[in-house]
Amino acid sequence: QQQVKQSPQSLIVQKGGISIINCAYENTAFDYFPWYQQFPGKGPALLIAIRPDVSEKKEGRFTISFNKSAKQFSLHIMDSQPGDSATYFCAASAETSGSRLTFGEGTQLTVNP
Amino acid sequence: NAGVMQNPRHLVRRRGQEARLRCSPMKGHSHVYWYRQLPEEGLKFMVYLQKENIIDESGMPKERFSAEFPKEGPSILRIQQVVRGDSAAYFCASSQSAGSSYEQYFGPGTRLTVT
Repeated sequence: QQQVKQSPQSLIVQKGGISIINCAYENTAFDYFPWYQQFPGKGPALLIAIRPDVSEKKEGRFTISFNKSAKQFSLHIMDSQPGDSATYFCAASAETSGSRLTFGEGTQLTVNP
Repeated sequence: NAGVMQNPRHLVRRRGQEARLRCSPMKGHSHVYWYRQLPEEGLKFMVYLQKENIIDESGMPKERFSAEFPKEGPSILRIQQVVRGDSAAYFCASSQSAGSSYEQYFGPGTRLTVT
């Protein structure tokens, strides 16, 4: 029940295209859903996050869509750039669990020039 | 740089030795989380600490692993008698307070290699 499932495992997109990464969860106690970006040899960096009281959040080229009834959320990267090439992790946490993060398996995004 | 600091960045240990990983949280943060990332996998929660207290160690192996966050100084993750399976990247994150209202910021990680 604590798992977060992420897909696809890898994604190749052309420059200017839209990258879409999906995550699904089981635990209805989760109340915070961040996305992290990780470059090789670096720590994860918080990209954007959403709470279940809204269905969408946009920050620049990055948008999170959230479907509470389906227990799914997704990251959309508009106008993808080669510099976006990285591994992306979705995560979830619950206030009742001390906010430890449960991570998805990660998606390796490659944006071709 | 007021970010989360971890050292060493790379650590090589022979089987049976001890590994000590250090984490200094961001200024003003008193909550520390440790995560482990095995090659080609996502991050797995290990332990959550506040100053001088272990709050949640449900993700930590029962043997050989311990963590502390003393009143003064960095948080320490200690692995005794390391085995090859301990080879991984270990990340710590810090937050200002508990609860999902507070974002976790990650350090650069310590990459442990056990030979």
